[in-house]
Amino acid sequence: GQSLEQPSEVTAVEGAIVQINCTYQTSGFYGLSWYQQHDGGAPTFLSYNALDGLEETGRFSSFLSRSDSYGYLLLQELQMKDSASYFCAVRGWGKAAGNKLTFGGGTRVLVKP
Amino acid sequence: GAGVSQTPSNKVTEKGKYVELRCDPISGHTALYWYRQSLGQGPEFLIYFQGTGAADDSGLPNDRFFAVRPEGSVSTLKIQRTERGDSAVYLCASSLAPGGAEAFFGQGTRLTVV
Repeated sequence: GQSLEQPSEVTAVEGAIVQINCTYQTSGFYGLSWYQQHDGGAPTFLSYNALDGLEETGRFSSFLSRSDSYGYLLLQELQMKDSASYFCAVRGWGKAAGNKLTFGGGTRVLVKP
Repeated sequence: GAGVSQTPSNKVTEKGKYVELRCDPISGHTALYWYRQSLGQGPEFLIYFQGTGAADDSGLPNDRFFAVRPEGSVSTLKIQRTERGDSAVYLCASSLAPGGAEAFFGQGTRLTVV
């Protein structure tokens, strides 16, 4: 099976940097994705790492290390609108994983003035 | 439409009733997923379709839950003999192909069983 662990909540002030860690256990996967979800809204795609290393998309960066079964999402220059829940997710391959997209429990980020 | 559409947006039903939730994916997306999300939790996988067939239904909690996608586009999630524990937001997502980097989610159907 697949399981992903994230911290439940992070609080930071505007302009700060926040790192959300994701550790996972999986038999095999295409890559690690990150999604943002505002209260009452749909999850929206943020970033994807197919290979080890850092991917940068504006103020958001994501990192993957397959050897360490670990990834993180880095949010820079925090803004009030970044207050939301953030989920890491993997899509597995093979018979056991079945191509399903499995999510972590989510990290609630609260940005304060 | 440009995105994934789910109807209804809200559904209140009595315990024991039957409900159907509809998902209209992005045109051309062959992969379709159903998830269930409870407050403060991550989306929980229910079932995945590749085309018309259910490629993985391992997340369906019991035989009261069933989903179809007869023409490889619109999908319907069906719940029989609803229970209060079925109350949650039911999310649908689609992607171009299995293994695709990005899944596009609908706004969800909030199901409340009273």
